[in-house]
Amino acid sequence: DAGVIQSPRHEVTEMGQEVTLRCKPISGHNSLFWYRQTMMRGLELLIYFNNNVPIDDSGMPEDRFSAKMPNASFSTLKIQPSEPRDSAVYFCASSFPGRSSGNTIYFGEGSWLTVV
Amino acid sequence: SQQGEEDPQALSIQEGENATMNCSYKTSINNLQWYRQNSGRGLVHLILIRSNEREKHSGRLRVTLDTSKKSSSLLITASRAADTASYFCATDSGAGSYQLTFGKGTKLSVIP
Repeated sequence: DAGVIQSPRHEVTEMGQEVTLRCKPISGHNSLFWYRQTMMRGLELLIYFNNNVPIDDSGMPEDRFSAKMPNASFSTLKIQPSEPRDSAVYFCASSFPGRSSGNTIYFGEGSWLTVV
Repeated sequence: SQQGEEDPQALSIQEGENATMNCSYKTSINNLQWYRQNSGRGLVHLILIRSNEREKHSGRLRVTLDTSKKSSSLLITASRAADTASYFCATDSGAGSYQLTFGKGTKLSVIP
């Protein structure tokens, strides 16, 4: 099993540029999550999809952030325009909630974003 | 807002000693999970304990849950240098929610 695949692993961009982060969830999983991790705020849930439909985007910081899931095997998180305070590690995670597995989440390795 | 809060924030022990980390949460849960994060990597699920369970074991891991106190503990016995990582508790918000809220973690250093 390949696990959750994220790209790019590392990105350095200039303030004002558009950033697109990509995620391929584990095959068969029907829930997908985008998290952001910083030293100051820890892990924050940005948005949660179930069966490709956004269920809760209350964690998306502002209109500069958008996320899509056009199909069950692909999701993007876009920041436009990017700002230095967006520098963080962005994790994609997926799960298949059930009685036996509960809601165990499987994380990708993260996309390390630096906005200068 | 944070649902789970780990304590201590950092813990340093000698190899072979036991490590205990605590987690407190605020609202009712269906289950509580512990995750581990090695430096520069994603989080990895360790163990899940349901709200009707009080204790669970997995290898060198022992998790307890006290729903009356809204707290959980993770015990790692006979620690190894490879256990050096950050450990997070994660809770759902009950009522069929599949979203998890994570604490800020305990950074464990095991000194060889």
